[in-house]
Amino acid sequence: DIVLTQSPGTLSLSPGERATLSCRASHSVSSNYLAWYQQKPGQAPRLLIYGASSRATGIPDRFSGSQSGTDFTLTISSLEPEDFAVYYCQQYEDFGQGTRLEIK
Amino acid sequence: VQLQESGPGLVKPSETLSLTCTVSGDSISNSYWTWIRQPAGQGLQWIGRIHGSGRSKYNSSLRGRVTMSADTSKSQFSLKLTSVTAADTAVYYCAREITIFGVVTPTLDPWGQGILVTVSS
Repeated sequence: DIVLTQSPGTLSLSPGERATLSCRASHSVSSNYLAWYQQKPGQAPRLLIYGASSRATGIPDRFSGSQSGTDFTLTISSLEPEDFAVYYCQQYEDFGQGTRLEIK
Repeated sequence: VQLQESGPGLVKPSETLSLTCTVSGDSISNSYWTWIRQPAGQGLQWIGRIHGSGRSKYNSSLRGRVTMSADTSKSQFSLKLTSVTAADTAVYYCAREITIFGVVTPTLDPWGQGILVTVSS
């Protein structure tokens, strides 16, 4: 199995700031299958990014994904109040443990 | 496309958890459908997937307790988890695997709203 390690566990930022969330895979994986999800309290996860860098339908362009080797990054260019949530990466049947993005 | 989970919210220890996911706006015949669960305050765990044709794959960590089935006539797929314990208490989600340029991927969209299942006597 692939182990996906997300960092940091919690990220405290203010609206308008840039957020950088990391997801590191334990070994080489296909970028085609790396996805990012956003989950707000009491809600189901929502697909943000698929194929490591493609935005899902309706996702604002402040969200972007990138890859460097086994390191995947989700970037939110300028945080909006509604962006504070938990973010998960996924590869095949494995999920990262999540990064909580909280208001500073 | 919308997915809706249904089933008992309370299951006794050692009994079988049974959930159904009803799909609207899409045929289940030609896609893979997945069950995911999330214990309170914890992360996401992949349970398994089933194709509308009946092909399935399960999480080996659940040690043979999982069975999934699909009913294309009802546009539903189901999950059965046997011999449940308190550790199976979680919110259970169903979701669809997406296809990109004709290739099935494990990326999930959309998701159902989730159903809380509590294992307790």
